[in-house]
Amino acid sequence: DSGVTQTPKHLITATGQRVTLRCSPRSGDLSVYWYQQSLDQGLQFLIQYYNGEERAKGNILERFSAQQFPDLHSELNLSSLELGDSALYFCASSVDGYGYTFGSGTRLTVV
Amino acid sequence: SQQGEEDPQALSIQEGENATMNCSYKTSINNLQWYRQNSGRGLVHLILIRSNEREKHSGRLRVTLDTSKKSSSLLITASRAADTASYFCATDAAGSARQLTFGSGTQLTVLP
Repeated sequence: DSGVTQTPKHLITATGQRVTLRCSPRSGDLSVYWYQQSLDQGLQFLIQYYNGEERAKGNILERFSAQQFPDLHSELNLSSLELGDSALYFCASSVDGYGYTFGSGTRLTVV
Repeated sequence: SQQGEEDPQALSIQEGENATMNCSYKTSINNLQWYRQNSGRGLVHLILIRSNEREKHSGRLRVTLDTSKKSSSLLITASRAADTASYFCATDAAGSARQLTFGSGTQLTVLP
């Protein structure tokens, strides 16, 4: 157990639907990062939050959004899902920006 | 987009042999990190080397960094079957908000 908890572990949904992925960072870590891992794009940075505020954006689609709550957990919302959104979504947390701790990921399958 | 490329894409060796993986990147960096991923699982942080360091050791791991060539290598000595995994380099680019840019990964298979 890395200390970063992601739920659910697996998610199967239909095209056009909306899902929410949840991440609880390691205790004491203020930064949360979301990454997408797919076969064709590899590991791509999506978005970062620091203590509730958006800090950086990467290759995140407009159909995707995220937020970090006062208790520091974060949610990644994916809407109008397409087949190409099928991927592993990872959350990572860090206390100082060095040496992330990754969660075990949510495997999203869009059918 | 991915910052760098890793070489080789796949590597198969016998237990006890050494494994060397290389990573090249494109921009100036604060540090470079190596991660391991077992099939379909989360990434595990292995080692971090800062831009002003040239070599770092951790157990059976040895990482080198050549900022003039924008390249790094990861050496795993005396490999074990349990080392079978994908290995990724990731760069923390200078001036970034600390997000990492990952390479394409090397799939290492250690045969017993």
